[in-house]
Amino acid sequence: DAGITQSPRYKITETGRQVTLMCHQTWSHSYMFWYRQDLGHGLRLIYYSAAADITDKGEVPDGYVVSRSKTENFPLTLESATRSQTSVYFCASSEPGGTQGFGPGTRLLVL
Amino acid sequence: AQSVTQPDIHITVSEGASLELRCNYSYGATPYLFWYVQSPGQGLQLLLKYFSGDTLVQGIKGFEAEFKRSQSSFNLRKPSVHWSDAAEYFCAVERRGSTLGRLYFGRGTQLTVWP
Repeated sequence: DAGITQSPRYKITETGRQVTLMCHQTWSHSYMFWYRQDLGHGLRLIYYSAAADITDKGEVPDGYVVSRSKTENFPLTLESATRSQTSVYFCASSEPGGTQGFGPGTRLLVL
Repeated sequence: AQSVTQPDIHITVSEGASLELRCNYSYGATPYLFWYVQSPGQGLQLLLKYFSGDTLVQGIKGFEAEFKRSQSSFNLRKPSVHWSDAAEYFCAVERRGSTLGRLYFGRGTQLTVWP
């Protein structure tokens, strides 16, 4: 089925380890987004991308790296995970002027 | 500062009762307005959106929202709540003229429905 998939859905890691969260969309949307959801904060934008090889920082980018070599993929990497990065991560995509569709989320626990 | 405010963190209603979830925004110009719902363990689903025109917007699952420019509000309503409506609800805005469709979210309102 068309849509956005995220993997893994659940991840436990340790402080200092590198972690990559995957996002894949089959809509061929130009725009893609990464959000983190924390209690009391709603969703906050980490990074976004307008097209392949075009990315920019959002509201809370520190400690994260993104890449977009292909239109359909937008991986998010935590270079050295910290406990404060324990969160639920959502990927989203849209077309210009369109509405964002969201993936199911990845629950990340950093010990 | 620009912001989206959902003043109610948690609301509890009885099944069959009416519901109103509040959302206020603070932006220079009227933004595009959205309501999303998140069921436990799920992603976000769009309920409805306002871009322009009629200020009363109909959405899925029997929800509607009313845009009031004078109050900078976009409150979500449902005349009769069902137990399956228990979820977290997020109001979001997008600045008009934004080239990337970036959304700004409120902190969410958790809805509990009593049988």
